[in-house]
Amino acid sequence: KNEVEQSPQNLTAQEGEFITINCSYSVGISALHWLQQHPGGGIVSLFMLSSGKKKHGRLIATINIQEKHSSLHITASHPRDSAVYICAVTPRRETSGSRLTFGEGTQLTVNP
Amino acid sequence: NAGVTQTPKFRILKIGQSMTLQCTQDMNHNYMYWYRQDPGMGLKLIYYSVGAGITDKGEVPNGYNVSRSTTEDFPLRLELAAPSQTSVYFCASSYSPRSSYEQYFGPGTRLTVT
Repeated sequence: KNEVEQSPQNLTAQEGEFITINCSYSVGISALHWLQQHPGGGIVSLFMLSSGKKKHGRLIATINIQEKHSSLHITASHPRDSAVYICAVTPRRETSGSRLTFGEGTQLTVNP
Repeated sequence: NAGVTQTPKFRILKIGQSMTLQCTQDMNHNYMYWYRQDPGMGLKLIYYSVGAGITDKGEVPNGYNVSRSTTEDFPLRLELAAPSQTSVYFCASSYSPRSSYEQYFGPGTRLTVT
């Protein structure tokens, strides 16, 4: 079983819809990351959080440490949000570097 | 700042050939990483480095070698390329964990071994 599980694997939405992507993990963590991978392949860090909630524009990330669960929300979705969204964690066991353990990603397609 | 740069963007190798994937960062990051991404799979760590002269294996190091002679550069060497090494390779870097865990990724190298 993967240490980081995402759901759903694929998600198709209509423009304007509210979108939620979920991430569950099974290890103690120092931080959780949400990354975005565009169709061209580049990977960009969206959020890094260890507690509570963060917001950037139409994107909101929340984390519940007790339940080992995080969600990424996109409000008023737009076709340009179409990308793969990747959840990753920095396990607390890591004593050197800041090695990440990745989920398999969620492919989001937003249709106009 | 250019951030993390990788060359080449694309490469086709024949089985048994060797090549070096280049990675450079200009953010003075101590930590650097090499990942591979296979279709439908999460990124897997190949090797990482916590500073110049120090490298260590990740989850999938077989068939690869790295070196870190400077803070800026972290090349990945493939010896005797095999079809199983067909993948997209990403280099990343981060500050010391004392200040930040955020990783910055390069644009990737798409490698095909035939």
